[in-house]
Amino acid sequence: DAMVIQNPRYQVTQFGKPVTLSCSQTLNHNVMYWYQQKSSQAPKLLFHYYDKDFNNEADTPDNFQSRRPNTSFCFLDIRSPGLGDAAMYLCATSGTGLGTIRADTQYFGPGTRLTVL
Amino acid sequence: GQQLNQSPQSMFIQEGEDVSMNCTSSSIFNTWLWYKQDPGEGPVLLIALYKAGELTSNGRLTAQFGITRKDSFLNISASIPSDVGIYFCAGQRSSNTGKLIFGQGTTLQVKP
Repeated sequence: DAMVIQNPRYQVTQFGKPVTLSCSQTLNHNVMYWYQQKSSQAPKLLFHYYDKDFNNEADTPDNFQSRRPNTSFCFLDIRSPGLGDAAMYLCATSGTGLGTIRADTQYFGPGTRLTVL
Repeated sequence: GQQLNQSPQSMFIQEGEDVSMNCTSSSIFNTWLWYKQDPGEGPVLLIALYKAGELTSNGRLTAQFGITRKDSFLNISASIPSDVGIYFCAGQRSSNTGKLIFGQGTTLQVKP
């Protein structure tokens, strides 16, 4: 089935130790998003790629970076994780790919739960 | 960031009951989306609405895009225990950016 895949599902890192979260998609969507979700809150958009164009949200800390080497993959890099960065990180995609209702409808992956010790 | 006003914040109902939740905004949206999120999982798209006045069903779920384009509701009929979770509405103003504005979520608990 076409889908959005996130690895790992659970990630533990140490305070200040760089960590990379991975997202891949088989939907062939041209837009990929990264969200941060803390407990009992709605997802908060960090940034998104429209094809290769990177779009950062104004309030996203510099500590968060992203890479998109190709259509299928997108990475979230946290350069120096702090305790406040512990959260669920969600990847989403949208576009005119497989099984899509409309190009602007976002489909989410299962998320990566990040713990910072 | 900006949020939609979603209510109620939480609901505790008996299995078999119908459920209704809604989202309102002071601004116009072009798209309304309803997602369900289970604990430890990502949001799953339930219903997407693209036209003012549109009424769409997905099994026991029904959602409507308000005529004013400033609100939407989601109804769940004959609730079952697996309906438990957090329901989020999300609105989009522009199909170009695809940026979603989320409601605060409605936590649904169903008593068997």
